[in-house]
Amino acid sequence: GIQVEQSPPDLILQEGANSTLRCNFSDSVNNLQWFHQNPWGQLINLFYIPSGTKQNGRLSATTVATERYSLLYISSSQTTDSGVYFCAVTDKLIFGTGTRLQVFP
Amino acid sequence: DTAVSQTPKYLVTQMGNDKSIKCEQNLGHDTMYWYKQDSKKFLKIMFSYNNKELIINETVPNRFSPKSPDKAHLNLHINSLELGDSAVYFCASSQEPGRQETQYFGPGTRLLVL
Repeated sequence: GIQVEQSPPDLILQEGANSTLRCNFSDSVNNLQWFHQNPWGQLINLFYIPSGTKQNGRLSATTVATERYSLLYISSSQTTDSGVYFCAVTDKLIFGTGTRLQVFP
Repeated sequence: DTAVSQTPKYLVTQMGNDKSIKCEQNLGHDTMYWYKQDSKKFLKIMFSYNNKELIINETVPNRFSPKSPDKAHLNLHINSLELGDSAVYFCASSQEPGRQETQYFGPGTRLLVL
């Protein structure tokens, strides 16, 4: 089956820093989503992005389907950005391994 | 106002007991899912229902039985609970399997088997 790998597995930032999270997938996909799991465990939709680029405030995402990867950019990070970020190939119901982000003041 | 709701949020029980988790969505979606998140945060699909019919049943023990009384509800019943069942269980919904639609998740049910 399809493999979905995320990098880095862990990321520690100081408030105000920028970061890029990567999601690689081993096969073609139709649907790809990014989620943020906050420290209380809630899974929050960030982007539905099977291809192209989207932006929402300080967050943006780009998927290059032909090269089988997606990137999530977080600019000017805040402590509330802490948590685990997942990409998911939702047409195959496969979640990535996650990136744990900690933002310190 | 909650799009996908689950009850209970926390469940602490003894090994061997039978328990149920309920899920309801008010988004008018056709498809509902159950996922399991283990202690290492890996999320794995367990079941998927479309219009009350089971369409995906991953390698899950027979002790787990989903039931969908209507397309807005998907409950999960677990028989003879084991220590390894301790996890967070998430319900989710989307418009249709394979369509380009976002999946929406419930708040999760934290199950602890003692």
